[in-house]
Amino acid sequence: GNSVTQMEGPVTLSEEAFLTINCTYTATGYPSLFWYVQYPGEGLQLLLKATKADDKGSNKGFEATYRKETTSFHLEKGSVQVSDSAVYFCALLSSSYKLIFGSGTRLLVRP
Amino acid sequence: DVKVTQSSRYLVKRTGEKVFLECVQDMDHENMFWYRQDPGLGLRLIYFSYDVKMKEKGDIPEGYSVSREKKERFSLILESASTNQTSMYLCASRTGTGPSETQYFGPGTRLLVL
Repeated sequence: GNSVTQMEGPVTLSEEAFLTINCTYTATGYPSLFWYVQYPGEGLQLLLKATKADDKGSNKGFEATYRKETTSFHLEKGSVQVSDSAVYFCALLSSSYKLIFGSGTRLLVRP
Repeated sequence: DVKVTQSSRYLVKRTGEKVFLECVQDMDHENMFWYRQDPGLGLRLIYFSYDVKMKEKGDIPEGYSVSREKKERFSLILESASTNQTSMYLCASRTGTGPSETQYFGPGTRLLVL
C-alpha cells in the first residue's frame, strides 16, 4: 500500500543553518508529492509540490526534488530562520486521489 | 484566497455527548475532507466527500459520521463522544481530482472529551 516515512523530530537548528528533512515513500506508480507546513496554532499550508520524477518544487527558500530512483522527496533550505519553526509534513497523492501523510517533523530554530 | 473555516477552535465535551464539528469553504470546491491529527501519527483521513450528499469512508471512520447537504459545508458528527476521540480535527477542501490539485486546510478544532 501507500505510505510516507519522515525522519523523526524534533530537529533543532541555529538560525542560518542548513536544513534537511528526509522523506521517503512507498506507492504504486508515480504519485504527486507534497510538503505541507503547520505553524503553531494553525492548520496546514501547502509549502511546495512536485508532480513527476525529477521535478523540483520550491517556495520561500525551501526546495525538494522528486527522486524516483530512491523514492524520496527530501526537504531542504539553505539558511533557516526562527520564523521557519513549525511542523513539516510530507505527503503523497494516492491513485484514488487521497492524500497520505507522514507523521510530521517538528523544526525548532533558535536565534 | 481560499478560505476554509471551522466552527470552533477549542471544544470540551463529556463522554457520551453528541458532537458536531462544522466546516465551511468559500471556493465552490467539490471535494471536502475530515482528518484527525495525533502526535506521532500525522494526519489520518476519517471521511471525505466528492460532492453534495456523497460521502466515503476514509481510513478511520469508526465512531464518526458526516453530512454534506450543501456544497460549501461538511459536518463531522461524533454520535457518542469517547475519550479516545480527544484530538485535533482538521477539515480540508479541494477543487477536483487532478494530480496537482492543492488541498486547503482549515485552522483545526482541538477537541477534549472528558
